[in-house]
Amino acid sequence: AQSVSQHNHHVILSEAASLELGCNYSYGGTVNLFWYVQYPGQHLQLLLKYFSGDPLVKGIKGFEAEFIKSKFSFNLRKPSVQWSDTAEYFCAVNLGGGYNKLIFGAGTRLAVHP
Amino acid sequence: NAGVTQTPKFRVLKTGQSMTLLCAQDMNHEYMYWYRQDPGMGLRLIHYSVGEGTTAKGEVPDGYNVSRLKKQNFLLGLESAAPSQTSVYFCASILPQGATDSPLHFGNGTRLTVT
Repeated sequence: AQSVSQHNHHVILSEAASLELGCNYSYGGTVNLFWYVQYPGQHLQLLLKYFSGDPLVKGIKGFEAEFIKSKFSFNLRKPSVQWSDTAEYFCAVNLGGGYNKLIFGAGTRLAVHP
Repeated sequence: NAGVTQTPKFRVLKTGQSMTLLCAQDMNHEYMYWYRQDPGMGLRLIHYSVGEGTTAKGEVPDGYNVSRLKKQNFLLGLESAAPSQTSVYFCASILPQGATDSPLHFGNGTRLTVT
């Protein structure tokens, strides 16, 4: 079955530490890839997306992600986190291109301590 | 511009009762989705629609029905609510395929408790 896996359910970091959140998907066809963030009490917001071209994608708030097709991965990174990055992060994959079926991972809850 | 509006925001049901959640968008989006969000499980797709009059099953469709009679509205129905359907429900919409710069627009969610 098609699925999206996020390896870390909870991550705790100190401010200025580097962040990498893993995301793998299981689907052999064309995919579009996304990272969304959900701040406490809010709905999901788009951080970045990959459709084609350069596999290194830069998003808002200093986040970036790299699509590695051979590993079916789309890991999220940030060189130096801030307290305001405390949130839950969701990887999402659209199967078959376009927006027909957007599947989300289980999420990673990030807590950044000052 | 209201974006994606969900009603109601909160609801408590007894087991066996029925209800309909309404999602309305005023952005002329073609595609609409219903997700449920549960702790540790992320967002799971219940049903989605790629246009007026069309619906399709997502990952967890059992116990739910949907209708898209008008382009701007996507209704999610629970015919006989069960405690396992206690969750936060999110509606989302987006422009058609090809509008690659358009993000998914989410509503603010409906918190449903089934006792």
